[in-house]
This record gives sequence, C-alpha cells and structure tokens, in this order.
Amino acid sequence: GAVVSQHPSRVICKSGTSVKIECRSLDFQATTMFWYRQFPKQSLMLMATSNEGSKATYEQGVEKDKFLINHASLTLSTLTVTSAHPEDSSFYICSASQGTTNEKLFFGSGTQLSVL
Amino acid sequence: SQKIEQNSEALNIQEGKTATLTCNYTNYSPAYLQWYRQDPGRGPVFLLLIRENEKEKRKERLKVTFDTTLKQSLFHITASQPADSATYLCALGVDNTDKLIFGTGTRLQVFP
Repeated sequence: GAVVSQHPSRVICKSGTSVKIECRSLDFQATTMFWYRQFPKQSLMLMATSNEGSKATYEQGVEKDKFLINHASLTLSTLTVTSAHPEDSSFYICSASQGTTNEKLFFGSGTQLSVL
Repeated sequence: SQKIEQNSEALNIQEGKTATLTCNYTNYSPAYLQWYRQDPGRGPVFLLLIRENEKEKRKERLKVTFDTTLKQSLFHITASQPADSATYLCALGVDNTDKLIFGTGTRLQVFP
C-alpha cells in the first residue's frame, strides 16, 4: 500500500526558533497533502491543504505566516513552524491523497513538537 | 454550527464481545464517511469508507453503517480482541474534495 513518511518523529526546540517538518509520499505522487495538528486526547484539526505548485489553503484561525507550507514537488510537502512558542507544542500529522476524490488518505506517523 | 461527535470518549468491553461506536454529525452533507484507527503517538490508519448511497459496508470483523437521514454512522467490531484497543476516528468528506474533517474519537479498550 501507499506509504507516507514524516520526519522528524520528535523534535524539541527553544522558544523563538523555527522547526521544519517534512512529509513525503514514497511510492505515489501526491497532488494534495493535508496538515493536521492534534492535542492530547483530542481529535485531528485540519490546518491547511497543500497543493503541489500553488499556495496552501489555510483553515480559519490558522496563521499562514506562522505555519509556512511548501509543496514544491509531487512527493514532498513541508510545514515550517516559525518563531515557535510553547503553545505551538503539539502533534503534527500530514496526510496525502493519491489524486482521486472521495478516497482514503494516507497518513504520516506524526511529529511530536515540544517547544521549551 | 457544524459538528462531528463520537459518543463515548471511551468504551471498555470484554474480549469476544461486539464493540459499537457511534458517529453523529450536524450541518454537514458528506458525500462519504471514513473510519480510521489511531494508536498512541501514531498517525491514523484507514479502515473503511462508506458512501452516501451505501447503507452498510463490511470488511472482515468490521462493519460500518451510514444513515444520512439520522446523520449517523455506526462502527462495529465483532469478536473483539485486546489488539483492537485503540482510538477510532470517524471522518467526513466535505466539499467534494479529499479534505477530511475528523470526529472527536472514541478510545476503545478490550479486556481479556
């Protein structure tokens, strides 16, 4: 089956620094990738939809200048948390679509971000 | 307002019994609904997809129903096993895209 690789799995950083998270589709081309964040014991909250070669579409309440998304190729999307603060600490998960609508998504294994 | 609620934050059942999880939604008209399993510290894993014109879907010990009138989906695991213990998430497909909106999740614990 399709595999989505997400790195790093865990990152600890100081407040004020920027952190980049990578999401790769290993054996298929993902025209669309989605970024979610999840707080402990809560569900996934969609942050943004990333389309290859175009600007990401952000959900209401998500700061686009804070969470920079780049989808430069059909197999790679990156999320950069800029000037991270402790409240940005969360579990970030990416998912990828194979391009057909109304079908399942393939999820990465997630990145646990802890900002000190 | 739009809501997706999964009744029961946690569900504890004995091994061998059937687990039934509920997903209710309001102010959505999803073209399809999906169920995912999530283990702690991991990303969700796809289980089943059911479309608006389908009443029921089965896969091995799993069964999903979809009632667009009641705006509800039921997820059943028959002959449950301790290995089925995980959080189960329902997700709605919206806007005729691949975008998924997730429910609150139900944490299932199967005891031997």
